[in-house]
Amino acid sequence: DIQMTQSPSSLSASVGDRVTITCRASQSISNYLNWYQQKPGKAPKLLIYGASSLQSGVPSRFSGSGSGTDFTLAISSLQPEDFATYYCQLSYSTPPTFGGGTKVEIK
Amino acid sequence: EVQLLESGGGLVQPGGSLRLSCAVSGFIFTNYAMTWVRQAPGKGLEWVAAISASGGSTFYADSVMGRFTISRDSSKHTLFLQTNSLRVDDTALYYCAKVTGDWTRGDAFDIWGQGTVVTVSS
Repeated sequence: DIQMTQSPSSLSASVGDRVTITCRASQSISNYLNWYQQKPGKAPKLLIYGASSLQSGVPSRFSGSGSGTDFTLAISSLQPEDFATYYCQLSYSTPPTFGGGTKVEIK
Repeated sequence: EVQLLESGGGLVQPGGSLRLSCAVSGFIFTNYAMTWVRQAPGKGLEWVAAISASGGSTFYADSVMGRFTISRDSSKHTLFLQTNSLRVDDTALYYCAKVTGDWTRGDAFDIWGQGTVVTVSS
């Protein structure tokens, strides 16, 4: 199975900061990588699919990049509603493994 | 409005069984694969199982293979997860989710329910 490693596992940031989260696959997965946001007590929400395509309704401050084994989720200017946990997920093969998550907290 | 509503969770002893259901509305159920994802208390997301749009193909995580069975009833617009031989480490919030395609490379999970809690304890 392909393993997904996210980093950092947590970070503290202030409103307005630029934030980046990375995800590394144990082997090349082309651009078959999705990103989700999960707020406490809520179901996950799809943010980015195909490594860089923004899901409908997601603010443009979110962006995704990368290909092969290394991927990045960026938030250009962190907003109060963005404090949450973020997960990457491969969509290259079964099982569609999730990364371990990155908790974005308020500094 | 697209909606997924899970039910069937509860407290069960180790070795027991539960049948989880996910009632869907707002989209053409038979056009999309469906999936179950779970989240243990305080932990991350773990994919559990998936079923193709027609129901003809099923896929399982190694951790549940042989114990869980995913199925769907198109007439009732409902997804199921039969969970048998439950273990303490199956304790989790179980989400159903709609897949963007028919379980093909590049699919994502674009619509999620709110989940149903399964607690396995003696």
